Amino acid sequence: SQKIEQNSEALNIQEGKTATLTCNYTNYSPAYLQWYRQDPGRGPVFLLLIRENEKEKRKERLKVTFDTTLKQSLFHITASQPADSATYLCALQRAGNMLTFGGGTRLMVKP
Amino acid sequence: GAGVSQSPSNKVTEKGKDVELRCDPISGHTALYWYRQRLGQGLEFLIYFQGNSAPDKSGLPSDRFSAERTGESVSTLTIQRTQQEDSAVYLCASSPYRLDEQFFGPGTRLTVL
Repeated sequence: SQKIEQNSEALNIQEGKTATLTCNYTNYSPAYLQWYRQDPGRGPVFLLLIRENEKEKRKERLKVTFDTTLKQSLFHITASQPADSATYLCALQRAGNMLTFGGGTRLMVKP
Repeated sequence: GAGVSQSPSNKVTEKGKDVELRCDPISGHTALYWYRQRLGQGLEFLIYFQGNSAPDKSGLPSDRFSAERTGESVSTLTIQRTQQEDSAVYLCASSPYRLDEQFFGPGTRLTVL
């Protein structure tokens, strides 16, 4: 069956370091992959979309990679700040189909 | 401009009662989605509306769940004969088109006693 895995354990890092979050998937051939941020008590907020033919995409301090051979996406936040603390969700989509979300990884950036 | 709004923000009900949850999408967005998020879990797709096409109901967990959408505006999610396992946050999202980023509302927290 299709599976999207994100590390369920919280990631704790020091302010200023680079945070790297992982999204692995099996039995899936996504055309698009999206990353969202979710703060407690709020709906997710879109961050980045990367297509299957793109290896990397950047936006300010954010970088996403997409390796369709490894079936993995990495989400990086450089120069992390306490305000980056949140849960980050990856979501996969085949062309024409719905988004399927992973369980999310909670990031804690300590000052 | 105004984002996606949902009401009520919180709903407490007794087991066996029916509930209606409302979603107002961003004006002009043709696609509308409903998700369920249990505590500490990811988002579980429920139903999807795209313009005037028949909705994709493939994620609805049982026939107690139904949803309607009026044109390209308001949507209501109805849960009949609520059960304790229905307790969750119900999130609505809209997008200009099916493959675009989704804009989420704040969610409705449903508690079934």
